[in-house]
Parts: sequence; C-alpha cells; structure tokens
Amino acid sequence: AQSVAQPEDQVNVAEGNPLTVKCTYSVSGNPYLFWYVQYPNRGLQFLLKYITGDNLVKGSYGFEAEFNKSQTSFHLKKPSALVSDSALYFCAVRDIPPNDYKLSFGAGTTVTVRA
Amino acid sequence: GAGVSQTPSNKVTEKGKYVELRCDPISGHTALYWYRQSLGQGPEFLIYFQGTGAADDSGLPNDRFFAVRPEGSVSTLKIQRTERGDSAVYLCASSLGQGAPGANVLTFGAGSRLTVL
Repeated sequence: AQSVAQPEDQVNVAEGNPLTVKCTYSVSGNPYLFWYVQYPNRGLQFLLKYITGDNLVKGSYGFEAEFNKSQTSFHLKKPSALVSDSALYFCAVRDIPPNDYKLSFGAGTTVTVRA
Repeated sequence: GAGVSQTPSNKVTEKGKYVELRCDPISGHTALYWYRQSLGQGPEFLIYFQGTGAADDSGLPNDRFFAVRPEGSVSTLKIQRTERGDSAVYLCASSLGQGAPGANVLTFGAGSRLTVL
C-alpha cells in the first residue's frame, strides 16, 4: 500500500530562518505526492504536488518541495519562514490506479515560527 | 459556492444517538470525498463519490456509517448509534472528476467536529 511518514511531530524555527518539513514515502510504482497545510479552524489547503518531471516543485505561499528518489523523500521547504506559516502540515500520496482518487496522509507536522 | 461548506461545524451528541453531517461542495466538482481526522492523526479516507454514486465506500468503519449524494451535489454523512470512538473531525472535500487535470487537488471544508459523550 502507498504510504507516507512524517518523522517530526513538531518543527520550531525563528522567523526569517529556513523551514524544512520532512516526509518519506513508500510506494509501488511512480509516486504522486502532495503537501497540504491546515490552519486553525480552516480546511486543509493544497500547497503543491509532484507528479513527474523536475525534482524541485514550487507551490503556494513561497513553499517548494524536493523529490528525492534515492532517499524516498519529499521534504517541504521555505527559504525564509514567516510567523504566519505556523500551521499543521500534511504530506500525502496518491493511491495506484484504479483507486487513484484516494489520498493517504501522514500524521502531520506542527510548525511554529517564532517572531 | 466559493468553497466547500460543512455543517454543523460542531456537534455534541450522546452515545447511541443518530447524527447527520452535511457537505456542500464547490459547484461543478463532480468528485466528493469524506475523510475522518482523529486527534493527532492525518485524515483517513472514508468514502468517494463520483456524481451521485458511491464509487468507493471501503473506508467506512462499519455499517453504522452511511453517506448519500442524491443529486450529485450536496452530500450527507449519516452515523447511527454513535459511539465514543466516533468522536473526530469529519472532513469533506471536492475536486474535478477522476482523469481531469487537477483531479487530485482536493478542496477541503473546515470540517465538522463530532463529540460523542
């Protein structure tokens, strides 16, 4: 089964510093990977996805993610974090066809950016 | 509408009661999903609708859970004889149909927080 793991429950960084949120995956076939963010009392919001092509994927709000096949990782990054980036971040992987409508999510990583 | 709307935002009920949770997806999104998010965990798939029919209900935990989407738009998740273990946030999402560009980009509602006492 397709799955992702987020090894860190929490990440704390100072505003202006680089932010990295880790995700590793386990899949059969080619991975289709996603990052979503959840702000308090809001629904999950799509940040970016990797389907194929360039290993560096750019997304919303200045976030990017690096796909690394040899390390089976898809880490989310932002060069300079903002206090407003404080939220819960989820990595997800798409299931294989014909169930490719289904996403499996990691447990989430809480990011706190201190001023 | 502009986004996915879920009602109620909070529901407190007693063990054994019946509960309905409603989801109003984005207009034009033919695919609709229900996920359940327990404390400290990521969302877990419950059911997927393509149009009016439930294409995959394999994630429903047991037969106390049922969902409908009679006109291919609004969906209702129904839970009978609620148990304390059903307490969670129930998330609804919608997207373009399977195979369409952006089909896996889900737009989520804010969720319905269910507490069973």
